[in-house]
Amino acid sequence: DAGVIQSPRHEVTEMGQEVTLRCKPISGHDYLFWYRQTMMRGLELLIYFNNNVPIDDSGMPEDRFSAKMPNASFSTLKIQPSEPRDSAVYFCASSFSLAVSNSPLHFGNGTRLTVT
Amino acid sequence: DQQVKQNSPSLSVQEGRISILNCDYTNSMFDYFLWYKKYPAEGPTFLISISSIKDKNEDGRFTVFLNKSAKHLSLHIVPSQPGDSAVYFCAASEITGANSKLTFGKGITLSVRP
Repeated sequence: DAGVIQSPRHEVTEMGQEVTLRCKPISGHDYLFWYRQTMMRGLELLIYFNNNVPIDDSGMPEDRFSAKMPNASFSTLKIQPSEPRDSAVYFCASSFSLAVSNSPLHFGNGTRLTVT
Repeated sequence: DQQVKQNSPSLSVQEGRISILNCDYTNSMFDYFLWYKKYPAEGPTFLISISSIKDKNEDGRFTVFLNKSAKHLSLHIVPSQPGDSAVYFCAASEITGANSKLTFGKGITLSVRP
């Protein structure tokens, strides 16, 4: 199994531009999560999906952020327009269950976003 | 409001000695706790967990202790090895209920000196 695959690994863009981050979860995992890591706040959950349906997007910082999961093997996180304060590492993770006691999260290697 | 707190941002220990990483939580509904380890340029990976019905869980060199009354847990690594140098995230959740998603702390950077 290749694990959770994220692309791109690094993204540098100018303020105001649209940014799209991509994720391929582990096959068979019904849950997909988007996290953001910053020095100030650590790992924050942005949104998660179950069977391609968004379940909880309460962590999405504002309307500039949107996420989709058109099928079981692909998800995107879009920021439009991007701002310098969005600079962070964005992780995608997947699991076969929401019960962390028997289904730990599997993380991708992240996308480091820099907005100048 | 941080419900999971890792107040020490970094820790440096000598190879062969014990590393103790601390974590505090404020939500009394949390009943399952995990530690994740993260190397640079990689995603976090699951390390060890503990249920609130236990006060200790051991896996090789790694032991997690839980003190529910103090809302405190700690990860002990004995003996520490240079390969243990990484960022360690504490995480918590409710096994049942509305808050079963994981809540993470900010992480602690562990450096093990050869």
